[in-house]
Amino acid sequence: EPEVTQTPSHQVTQMGQEVILRCVPISNHLYFYWYRQILGQKVEFLVSFYNNEISEKSEIFDDQFSVERPDGSNFTLKIRSTKLEDSAMYFCASSEPGALTEAFFGQGTRLTVV
Amino acid sequence: GESVGLHLPTLSVQEGDNSIINCAYSNSASDYFIWYKQESGKGPQFIIDIRSNMDKRQGQRVTVLLNKTVKHLSLQIAATQPGDSAVYFCAEWGGGFKTIFGAGTRLFVKA
Repeated sequence: EPEVTQTPSHQVTQMGQEVILRCVPISNHLYFYWYRQILGQKVEFLVSFYNNEISEKSEIFDDQFSVERPDGSNFTLKIRSTKLEDSAMYFCASSEPGALTEAFFGQGTRLTVV
Repeated sequence: GESVGLHLPTLSVQEGDNSIINCAYSNSASDYFIWYKQESGKGPQFIIDIRSNMDKRQGQRVTVLLNKTVKHLSLQIAATQPGDSAVYFCAEWGGGFKTIFGAGTRLFVKA
């Protein structure tokens, strides 16, 4: 069964450092997303990406965040200068045309900022 | 602000019984309402969705009911199994490229 894969599974970084979280969406999907989940809380939308550009972003997705699809398979989230409050589980998701409500999520990357 | 929320943080049911997880929403403009399941250490998993012009939709062992009059959504799981133990999120999709999640309900299944 096709799945969304994310690397690394756990990333520890020092405050102020840049991190890049990586995702390989399902191959025939065209819509890509990043969400985050602070421990014990709900899943929060960050950004959606289609046709090589951002479709929609939330208030959380400020200038410290950026996304990129560097090639035909990877989708990355970069946090330029991490803060303690960026510590969370980050989920990548993808969906196919005609089924936008059915997003397939990866296992997540746990980001810990110290 | 948040437009989707859940009534209870936890629900405990006996194996074999039916489970009902409830959700209230405030945004009448949402096109779809969705249920996701999240098992420990995993990402959310799509269960079922319902278009806003429908009242009921059935899947495999699950039924979603939508009551637009009182802005209420429920997920019914028939013959609950231990594998159903998870956190369940209701969510809304408003036609844009995002899903807005509500707070979760943790379902415990007692053997």
